[in-house]
Amino acid sequence: DVKVTQSSRYLVKRTGEKVFLECVQDMDHENMFWYRQDPGLGLRLIYFSYDVKMKEKGDIPEGYSVSREKKERFSLILESASTNQTSMYLCASSLWGGTSTDTQYFGPGTRLTVL
Amino acid sequence: QKEVEQNSGPLSVPEGAIASLNCTYSDRGSQSFFWYRQYSGKSPELIMSIYSNGDKEDGRFTAQLNKASQYVSLLIRDSQPSDSATYLCAVAGGPNFGNEKLTFGTGTRLTIIP
Repeated sequence: DVKVTQSSRYLVKRTGEKVFLECVQDMDHENMFWYRQDPGLGLRLIYFSYDVKMKEKGDIPEGYSVSREKKERFSLILESASTNQTSMYLCASSLWGGTSTDTQYFGPGTRLTVL
Repeated sequence: QKEVEQNSGPLSVPEGAIASLNCTYSDRGSQSFFWYRQYSGKSPELIMSIYSNGDKEDGRFTAQLNKASQYVSLLIRDSQPSDSATYLCAVAGGPNFGNEKLTFGTGTRLTIIP
């Protein structure tokens, strides 16, 4: 079974703090993704990576950065947390599907509250 | 116009009946289609994937794809209370969506009434 783990289930931070969210997958997947999920807005892609040290902006990258130094690990960084970044953060991974898209497998999520 | 559109519900269905969930998408070149189930407080899990026009069945679940009409649906037969969840439609491929990214609808909340 594919396993995607995230470093924390719940996190509370203060405005202006630097926040690191870590994601690790154990299935040698090329692609990794960071989403946030908010009521009424659904899942929105922040960043994704299709290889080590490669990254692509998603639909809402502002205020976020990412790091992928190893294939199995993808980190999301909030340089200076703000209250509007309070959300559920979901990491996902998938194989590179070539001309089609392979299934994305999700981690359990991190609920981040910024006070 | 939303890129992937679903009826937000809630959709209430009696136990044992057929639940029908619908999704439309805007990118005519889309190639890959997925249905995810998400229980409250949990992360999404894959139910079905479909890539070709027509029906694809897996147990009590049937995914239906019509690329000409740009819609994909999920039927759940013999609905059970454990099917109560939010169902997310996701689409990929095509010039706007791209092959590796999924674009999600906002989800349909389904409640099965015992």
